[in-house]
Amino acid sequence: ETGVTQTPRHLVMGMTNKKSLKCEQHLGHNAMYWYKQSAKKPLELMFVYNFKEQTENNSVPSRFSPECPNSSHLFLHLHTLQPEDSALYLCASSHLVAGGPDIQYFGAGTRLSVL
Amino acid sequence: SQQGEEDPQALSIQEGENATMNCSYKTSINNLQWYRQNSGRGLVHLILIRSNEREKHSGRLRVTLDTSKKSSSLLITASRAADTASYFCATDTGGGNKLTFGTGTQLKVEL
Repeated sequence: ETGVTQTPRHLVMGMTNKKSLKCEQHLGHNAMYWYKQSAKKPLELMFVYNFKEQTENNSVPSRFSPECPNSSHLFLHLHTLQPEDSALYLCASSHLVAGGPDIQYFGAGTRLSVL
Repeated sequence: SQQGEEDPQALSIQEGENATMNCSYKTSINNLQWYRQNSGRGLVHLILIRSNEREKHSGRLRVTLDTSKKSSSLLITASRAADTASYFCATDTGGGNKLTFGTGTQLKVEL
């Protein structure tokens, strides 16, 4: 257990569905991240939240909508996805201090299939 | 090419042998980290080396860093079947909030 829990572990959805991915961290960290991992591609950073404030949005399509209600919880709301959005979605958290290293702790991921 | 590119892309060795993976990057870094990912799971942090360090050890892991060549290597000694996983380097430029990961090396350790 890494202290970062993602649910669900697997999700199959149609292109017209709306679903949400959930991430919870029990590590007292102040930053949370969403990554997309597709086969044979580098890990793609999607969103970053620092103290609940979004600090990065890496040109992610609007069909992905993040929500961070507090420093321990992060959601990724999905709607009208495309088949190419099928991937492993990873959540991570870290404790950021000025000048310190960013060591990230990852959840086990949600394997998403869009039909 | 990407910031943080590992080579080889895939490596297959026998149990007990050493495995060496390399990472090249492009920009100046604050530190470089190595992570492991078992199939279909999240990444796990293994080791961090700072830009002013040249070598670091942790158990059977040895990491080197050459900032003049912008490269790092990860050596796993006396490999075990349980080391079978993908290994990623990640560069931290110190700007906060952003690690850049490479494409990874898939290591298979056979009995």
